[in-house]
Amino acid sequence: DADVTQTPRNRITKTGKRIMLECSQTKGHDRMYWYRQDPGLGLQLIYYSFDVKDINKGEISDGYSVSRQAQAKFSLSLESAIPNQTALYFCATSDPRDSKNIQYFGAGTRLSVL
Amino acid sequence: AQKITQTQPGMFVQEKEAVTLDCTYDTSDPSYGLFWYKQPSSGEMIFLIYQGSYDQQNATEGRYSLNFQKARKSANLVISASQLGDSAMYFCAMREGSSGGFKTIFGAGTRLFVKA
Repeated sequence: DADVTQTPRNRITKTGKRIMLECSQTKGHDRMYWYRQDPGLGLQLIYYSFDVKDINKGEISDGYSVSRQAQAKFSLSLESAIPNQTALYFCATSDPRDSKNIQYFGAGTRLSVL
Repeated sequence: AQKITQTQPGMFVQEKEAVTLDCTYDTSDPSYGLFWYKQPSSGEMIFLIYQGSYDQQNATEGRYSLNFQKARKSANLVISASQLGDSAMYFCAMREGSSGGFKTIFGAGTRLFVKA
């Protein structure tokens, strides 16, 4: 089983719909992240969380919200999806005890907003 | 200004040959870390190799090595003895700050094609 699991793997939705992407991890890491990847671009940070009570905005948080339900779970919501949110979304984790801060990624969720 | 620059959108290499993927970075922080990740066609991001700014030697992990030239601010990935399974997107990334630093900035990536 994957250490960082994202569901769904693929999702097609319509403009204006609310959608939630889920992430769970078994690595025991406190830090969790949500990124989006657009063609020809690197990953951009949407939100990050250092523990259950800590939520922080990243570079491109507008139009998104998150929930850290438990140490192992971090969900990303699009309250009212729009076509330019079509992208590949990644969840990642890292261990604050790791001085390198290596991030471990899920397999990604490919989202299409029509 | 871009902090991570990967100037090669695509690269071709013959199977069993070595290939170098370029990465330059920009930071004024004396403490930073550099990463390479691989993204195969299936989409997942796989960590390959790490280099710390204070590391004296270039990092190596199996067939991957990182050619770290601090003065030039470059952190090129060298893949030796390329295999067909190496065909993928490769991302260079940088973490600024000391061990408390967590924000990682990614480059736009280089797509590597390995020819049989």
